[in-house]
Amino acid sequence: RKEVEQDPGPFNVPEGATVAFNCTYSNSASQSFFWYRQDCRKEPKLLMSVYSSGNEDGRFTAQLNRASQYISLLIRDSKLSDSATYLCVVNQAGNMLTFGGGTRLMVKP
Amino acid sequence: DAMVIQNPRYQVTQFGKPVTLSCSQTLNHNVMYWYQQKSSQAPKLLFHYYDKDFNNEADTPDNFQSRRPNTSFCFLDIRSPGLGDAAMYLCATRPGGSNQPQHFGDGTRLSIL
Repeated sequence: RKEVEQDPGPFNVPEGATVAFNCTYSNSASQSFFWYRQDCRKEPKLLMSVYSSGNEDGRFTAQLNRASQYISLLIRDSKLSDSATYLCVVNQAGNMLTFGGGTRLMVKP
Repeated sequence: DAMVIQNPRYQVTQFGKPVTLSCSQTLNHNVMYWYQQKSSQAPKLLFHYYDKDFNNEADTPDNFQSRRPNTSFCFLDIRSPGLGDAAMYLCATRPGGSNQPQHFGDGTRLSIL
């Protein structure tokens, strides 16, 4: 089993749709969790950290489920500009951060 | 203002010719990371420094070396690049021992002729 796993997609959704991604992790001692967005041929950019109580930033909501060892990202009212690859990153121990394989989202008009 | 700066943005080298990629930061973060990312794949950690302590990933080829002369700078040296080393190389920084996210540079795209 991979340490951090994501459905690669692509998820093809119409503008205005709500879409959700999950990311599972194998190490129950993992300490912190992040969602990054990466556009084609660009560097990853932090979208949001994921807190135990769940957190929201505009149209984006992140949640953590420690019991089932997954985090999720919900995007409401999808925009064309949301098309990108979404990377889940897990701090498993110390300074080691492990990336999931990424989930590709394509928002269509 | 860019806080993690990678130079150059694009680098072309010849097969077998050594190449050095550079990364600098203004964040004063303890930890600096080098990742390799190939098309349609996630970034793969090559190594990281916690201050001067070097941590090499077990599957990082010997062809890849790194130097961190001070807090602000970190270099990736590829001694004898092969065609399979063509990729985007990403530098990232992070405060050590924290729950903070990483900050990435723009990356250097390396091509091998």
